[in-house]
Amino acid sequence: ETGVTQSPTHLIKTRGQQVTLRCSSQSGHNTVSWYQQALGQGPQFIFQYYREEENGRGNFPPRFSGLQFPNYSSELNVNALELDDSALYLCASSFRTSGTDTQYFGPGTRLTVL
Amino acid sequence: GIQVEQSPPDLILQEGANSTLRCNFSDSVNNLQWFHQNPWGQLINLFYIPSGTKQNGRLSATTVATERYSLLYISSSQTTDSGVYFCAVPYWARGNTPLVFGKGTRLSVIA
Repeated sequence: ETGVTQSPTHLIKTRGQQVTLRCSSQSGHNTVSWYQQALGQGPQFIFQYYREEENGRGNFPPRFSGLQFPNYSSELNVNALELDDSALYLCASSFRTSGTDTQYFGPGTRLTVL
Repeated sequence: GIQVEQSPPDLILQEGANSTLRCNFSDSVNNLQWFHQNPWGQLINLFYIPSGTKQNGRLSATTVATERYSLLYISSSQTTDSGVYFCAVPYWARGNTPLVFGKGTRLSVIA
C-alpha cells in the first residue's frame, strides 16, 4: 500500500510569484485536505477536495486554490506569494465513509518565500 | 469555531521518565486524534480516541468527552519520543475530517 507522497520536498520562491504543490493520495482514498503549518504552530486547514470538487474551505484567501484529479491526486496553487506564505504545506488523504474516516499525512513541502 | 488548547507547550524529560500531555477543546466533538510530528515534519497518527482509553505500547490516551479534554501518557520515555505532539478534532460537526489542531507540545527527551 503506497502512502501519501508530496512534491517537491523544498521550494524557494520570491514574493509575487506563483507556486504549485502536488500530492498523491494513499491508494483507495478519495478525499484530500491541505494544511499550512507555520513555524511553531499547528497545521491550519486550507481546503478539502472530495471526488474532484472543493468540499469546504478554511480561512484562507482566494489566491489559495486547488484541484483534485480523477486519480484523486491533488494540487495546491498559491498566487501572488507573500512572505507570510513561508510554511510547511501538508496534504492528507482519507476515504470518506459514514464519519469514521481517518486522515494520513504526507511528508510535506517546505516553502520559503524571499 | 472550535478551539483546541494543549499544555504544556514545552517539556524536557530525562530518558526513562513518564509524562502527561493535556488537550482541552471548547465544544463537544465526535472524534479526537493524537499525532506525533517528527523532526522532519512527518505527522504520524498515534490514536483515534473520541472517548475512553486506548493503549499502544508505552503510549496511552484517555478522552473524557463530557468534560472536553484528552490526555496522552508517555511512559519510560526514549530519545526517539522527541518531537511535537498534536491533538486535533474535526473542523466541522459532520464527519471526522478535516481537522483543527492545537499548537502542540514540544517534547525533548534527553539521554
